[in-house]
Amino acid sequence: QQQVKQSPQSLIVQKGGIPIINCAYENTAFDYFPWYQQFPGKGPALLIAIRPDVSEKKEGRFTISFNKSAKQFSLHIMDSQPGDSATYFCAAAGMQGAQKLVFGQGTRLTINP
Amino acid sequence: EAQVTQNPRYLITVTGKKLTVTCSQNMNHEYMSWYRQDPGLGLRQIYYSMNVEVTDKGDVPEGYKVSRKEKRNFPLILESPSPNQTSLYFCASRPSGRNRQFFGPGTRLTVL
Repeated sequence: QQQVKQSPQSLIVQKGGIPIINCAYENTAFDYFPWYQQFPGKGPALLIAIRPDVSEKKEGRFTISFNKSAKQFSLHIMDSQPGDSATYFCAAAGMQGAQKLVFGQGTRLTINP
Repeated sequence: EAQVTQNPRYLITVTGKKLTVTCSQNMNHEYMSWYRQDPGLGLRQIYYSMNVEVTDKGDVPEGYKVSRKEKRNFPLILESPSPNQTSLYFCASRPSGRNRQFFGPGTRLTVL
């Protein structure tokens, strides 16, 4: 049972394009939604996170859009660069904090030069 | 340098041979956790620990054991490994009251 569903599984975008990765969740008790970035041979690293009291959060070229009523959130990467090529995971956690962080399936993003 | 370390990074073993993957963090974090990463499934939590001597099951605990005798260490024990435990394992830690988790570099385990 996948509590957080992520799509697409893989994505190829030209440099400068805006890749969009989508996630949907079922548990309305979730109140913390991070995105992690993982490069080959490395552990995931926190990229950006949002709480459901805001609809959008931006950090540099990375933006999370959050739709509480639809129980969906997405990651947008503006002016994408080849160095953004990585696997991206969305995740969600509940009221107890990040004790039980539930991850999506992951999206392998490739930015072509 | 603040970090989470795991050893070994790569391990090939045979079915039934007990093994331990070590995890250590130097950030004085209270919370530590183990995940396994499999293609198409993302990361799934195996066990977590809120502090010394406090551990609890995650989503896929079967076949694994953990202990937390010291704050900095959180070893993952496979008493009798099976091929379905072939995976990429990550240890993570975070301070109490904060959500950001710091991940180790991973341990790639192959059970033949």
